[in-house]
Amino acid sequence: GAGVSQSPSNKVTEKGKDVELRCDPISGHTALYWYRQSLGQGLEFLIYFQGNSAPDKSGLPSDRFSAERTGGSVSTLTIQRTQQEDSAVYLCASSRSGTSGGLRETQYFGPGTRLLVL
Amino acid sequence: LAKTTQPISMDSYEGQEVNITCSHNNIATNDYITWYQQFPSQGPRFIIQGYKTKVTNEVASLFIPADRKSSTLSLPRVSLSDTAVYYCLVGEGNTPLVFGKGTRLSVIA
Repeated sequence: GAGVSQSPSNKVTEKGKDVELRCDPISGHTALYWYRQSLGQGLEFLIYFQGNSAPDKSGLPSDRFSAERTGGSVSTLTIQRTQQEDSAVYLCASSRSGTSGGLRETQYFGPGTRLLVL
Repeated sequence: LAKTTQPISMDSYEGQEVNITCSHNNIATNDYITWYQQFPSQGPRFIIQGYKTKVTNEVASLFIPADRKSSTLSLPRVSLSDTAVYYCLVGEGNTPLVFGKGTRLSVIA
């Protein structure tokens, strides 16, 4: 089936505005992850969902960031009162179950949303 | 989470074998070693995963010595399309993937 999709592909906003980024995981995947990648940097983990619950929110950089997942499928990452340092590519990934024990499940990444805060 | 260290960049000519070594001195007993590849303007893509000795798939080979404190990703006969950033990750289960800055491989014609 289709891979992970994200929308919008690009977003330009003004400082102080709120933005919503959407992720559609691979059908049937129960685990969903959000990462952020600044220019020339590696990926920074933000939050992880198992079904609709988020057992690990440790990577969210501030309380301006929040995420939800409904119906065990689509997830939305919301950034309130955006700042220029929020400019980055926001990547979403999904994996089959997220509960594979020792063996690392393959994470399938979407193309990302490029956010530019002016 | 085990920290990884890998070269920042490497250059290679087309047709050569490329070996990228990653150090992970504090790897834990349950940790697996996983490599991802990222092309410009795309999300990372899984390449290969292993626990010990050698793993081979249609894309690459992964060599892991007995002490597991390092691993080497081997790409046979690279082409221009292999130009990408390669990330080495160490961990277990569904712990968050911790990406460093990776190794930027440039393949030259």
